[in-house]
Amino acid sequence: DTEVTQTPKHLVMGMTNKKSLKCEQHMGHRAMYWYKQKAKKPPELMFVYSYEKLSINESVPSRFSPECPNSSLLNLHLHALQPEDSALYLCASSTPNTGSTEAFFGQGTRLTVV
Amino acid sequence: DAKTTQPTSMDCAEGRAANLPCNHSTISGNEYVYWYRQIHSQGPQYIIHGLKNNETNEMASLIITEDRKSSTLILPHATLRDTAVYYCIVRPGGTSGTYKYIFGTGTRLKVLA
Repeated sequence: DTEVTQTPKHLVMGMTNKKSLKCEQHMGHRAMYWYKQKAKKPPELMFVYSYEKLSINESVPSRFSPECPNSSLLNLHLHALQPEDSALYLCASSTPNTGSTEAFFGQGTRLTVV
Repeated sequence: DAKTTQPTSMDCAEGRAANLPCNHSTISGNEYVYWYRQIHSQGPQYIIHGLKNNETNEMASLIITEDRKSSTLILPHATLRDTAVYYCIVRPGGTSGTYKYIFGTGTRLKVLA
């Protein structure tokens, strides 16, 4: 199983809502990533978890709150977002601390903030 | 993080080889070259990666120059389904920490019928 599953596929939320994005993998990968992708732009790294601990935060605003409750699951909690946060949010996983390994990406959650 | 430079767009005739170049002149000795592609609105798909030797798999070939400052991804017989944005990524190896996959601007490949 080389699949990274993201739910929901689409999400519309108001600026005062709280919602969560979910990412799951069963490949035994201990590094997991959140990316944000705006239309016609490359994915931008947001967070990296290694062995369930946050190891990289690319200066992401606090309205985005990641969580890694176990080695298979990664969440992104959203609160008080702005319309400019509308984007495709991608999750990925890989074996950590090894250069010669590929990351597997999910199909993303398309988020619209209204 | 080593920076990569790719042409913005390329066209290729269906059935012909697509050769996608990438410059990574600041690459370090322990950094790998990865290629991903992204078909419209889907998640990026891994294609191939290498350190210094040429690599081939069922999808593509990767040619890395001897000085490692550039590489070329070759899709040997392009099909319409290969139309996508192709990203070249340079990522450190080693075991001392967690490393990032940083995407550059990519090359938009259009395969023409």
